[in-house]
Amino acid sequence: DSGVTQTPKHLITATGQRVTLRCSPRSGDLSVYWYQQSLDQGLQFLIQYYNGEERAKGNILERFSAQQFPDLHSELNLSSLELGDSALYFCASSPARGRETQYFGPGTRLLVL
Amino acid sequence: GQSLEQPSEVTAVEGAIVQINCTYQTSGFYGLSWYQQHDGGAPTFLSYNGLDGLEETGRFSSFLIRSDSYGYLLLQELQMKDSASYFCAVRDRNYQLIWGAGTKLIIKP
Repeated sequence: DSGVTQTPKHLITATGQRVTLRCSPRSGDLSVYWYQQSLDQGLQFLIQYYNGEERAKGNILERFSAQQFPDLHSELNLSSLELGDSALYFCASSPARGRETQYFGPGTRLLVL
Repeated sequence: GQSLEQPSEVTAVEGAIVQINCTYQTSGFYGLSWYQQHDGGAPTFLSYNGLDGLEETGRFSSFLIRSDSYGYLLLQELQMKDSASYFCAVRDRNYQLIWGAGTKLIIKP
């Protein structure tokens, strides 16, 4: 158990809908990262937050947005969902913005029908 | 563009040693990390090299040569539970973490 929690574990929705994925980092970790992993693919970095501020941005679509709240939990919002958005979405946390060790949550498996 | 290249699949025998290579081309370099991911599971951190040389953690070692933009992960005394995908990742100058596509390690008895 990494100490990072993600909800929900599974999510099934329809095209055009909007969903919110939630992540709680390890106690004391200030950085939160979001990743997308499609079937049998590598990890695609989406976005990083550090202590409430956006720190780095990867290949995140405009339909996707995220934020980190004062209690350091984070949410990833996915809107106007398409079939191709079906994937595993991982959240990871690390103690500081420069630390290389990231602790991953169990992931949210999103299926768009 | 930025990229990390690693073999898509490696096969080895239980008890043997296997090396997984990673070459990178990124704008800036702030270290090479290795992660393990079992099917359906979350990636877990294995090793990190910020400077040239060897880092050892039990049966796993990682090595970096920055001048060659190259690193590798060495797994010794392979066990069946080591069957998994292994990812290398580099943090670039924008602090963005760039990931390789992963190497699927298949271990045969």
